[in-house]
Amino acid sequence: GENVEQHPSTLSVQEGDSAVIKCTYSDSASNYFPWYKQELGKGPQLIIDIRSNVGEKKDQRIAVTLNKTAKHFSLHITETQPEDSAVYFCAARWAGRRALTFGSGTRLQVQP
Amino acid sequence: GAVVSQHPSRVICKSGTSVKIECRSLDFQATTMFWYRQFPKQSLMLMATSNEGSKATYEQGVEKDKFLINHASLTLSTLTVTSAHPEDSSFYICSASGQPATNEKLFFGSGTQLSVL
Repeated sequence: GENVEQHPSTLSVQEGDSAVIKCTYSDSASNYFPWYKQELGKGPQLIIDIRSNVGEKKDQRIAVTLNKTAKHFSLHITETQPEDSAVYFCAARWAGRRALTFGSGTRLQVQP
Repeated sequence: GAVVSQHPSRVICKSGTSVKIECRSLDFQATTMFWYRQFPKQSLMLMATSNEGSKATYEQGVEKDKFLINHASLTLSTLTVTSAHPEDSSFYICSASGQPATNEKLFFGSGTQLSVL
């Protein structure tokens, strides 16, 4: 089955700095890679996603890159703000399965 | 994005009772719904996948008689935790997707914190 590893587990940055979270996946047949932001006591919120036929996608301060050869993908947040503080989860979907497999999460803290 | 509504947001019950959690897709038809479980400071673990009108598919290690899932319509799925015990205390989250509305993106409800005394 699919396995997704996520690093780092915690990340602290100063307001205005960039934050990068990295994930690797095991199944080369995976074709969809979303990122979710989860605030305390709430459900995950989809913030950006990328499909396997694309190498990079950007939405304002958030970008995701995918390296299919190395089987890893990364989330980049630029000009971080205190409201970006949350737990971020990467996920992957194997081509033969509809459910997502999640990484272990990264707790991002943006210091004002 | 599409809206998934889940309730209750929090429930406290006595050991041995059953608890029902509802998950509704508000602005799209959810052909598939998923139920996840999350322990504090941990990741989301898939419990089961349900398709409208058919039996749910449970992940290995998840007791289907304990966690009853019903997906009777394209907008509603329910999870019933039967004979709940303290070890069932957790954060339960539903998610839904539906073609073509969500383009296979997965949207999550707000979660239900279950506490079994």
